[in-house]
Amino acid sequence: AQKITQTQPGMFVQEKEAVTLDCTYDTSDQSYGLFWYKQPSSGEMIFLIYQGSYDEQNATEGRYSLNFQKARKSANLVITASQLGDSAMYFCAMREGQTGKLIFGQGTTLQVKP
Amino acid sequence: SAVISQKPSRDICQRGTSLTIQCQVDSQVTMMFWYRQQPGQSLTLIATANQGSEATYESGFVIDKFPISRPNLTFSTLTVSNLSPEDSSIYLCSVARGYNEQFFGPGTRLTVL
Repeated sequence: AQKITQTQPGMFVQEKEAVTLDCTYDTSDQSYGLFWYKQPSSGEMIFLIYQGSYDEQNATEGRYSLNFQKARKSANLVITASQLGDSAMYFCAMREGQTGKLIFGQGTTLQVKP
Repeated sequence: SAVISQKPSRDICQRGTSLTIQCQVDSQVTMMFWYRQQPGQSLTLIATANQGSEATYESGFVIDKFPISRPNLTFSTLTVSNLSPEDSSIYLCSVARGYNEQFFGPGTRLTVL
């Protein structure tokens, strides 16, 4: 069965520093995709970054990068130069094969300290 | 990205009633989904909304409780029927454009008294 695991319920980071949010996954599919979303207290889900299973380079989007280690089945999110507005819940998700359906991890709450 | 709107943004409903949530996308999309997020929990897929045919429900979700319509490629509705306090959640519609893009609507926050 496919599964996403986020082992950090909560994380703290000092403003302007970098932080890594962990995500491991389990799948028998060869083709899959990994997503990270940010959910502020308003409840909306904001797409941050995507990594395909066949992508050889780690994905980057501005201050976000995805540390993709396929052999370890990990897809950690790295946020550099943290800002107060980064305080939110972060979800890792995996797309099931060709269906488009997403399986979500339990989320990590990030708090940025001034 | 896709522009997705949901109505209503929030509602408070009485036990035993129903709520219909609308999801409108600014352009045609093939794949559309409905998710539920219970308080303090992660997102769980309710169903895939199929255009012109019955929705495909995930384990634990049934059509009688969560009827879904998708009359065209830009619009879908989710009804939560016979409401109970356990249905208090955020309901989100989502669309996929290709395999590397999936966007969510702003969500509907439902409280059942």
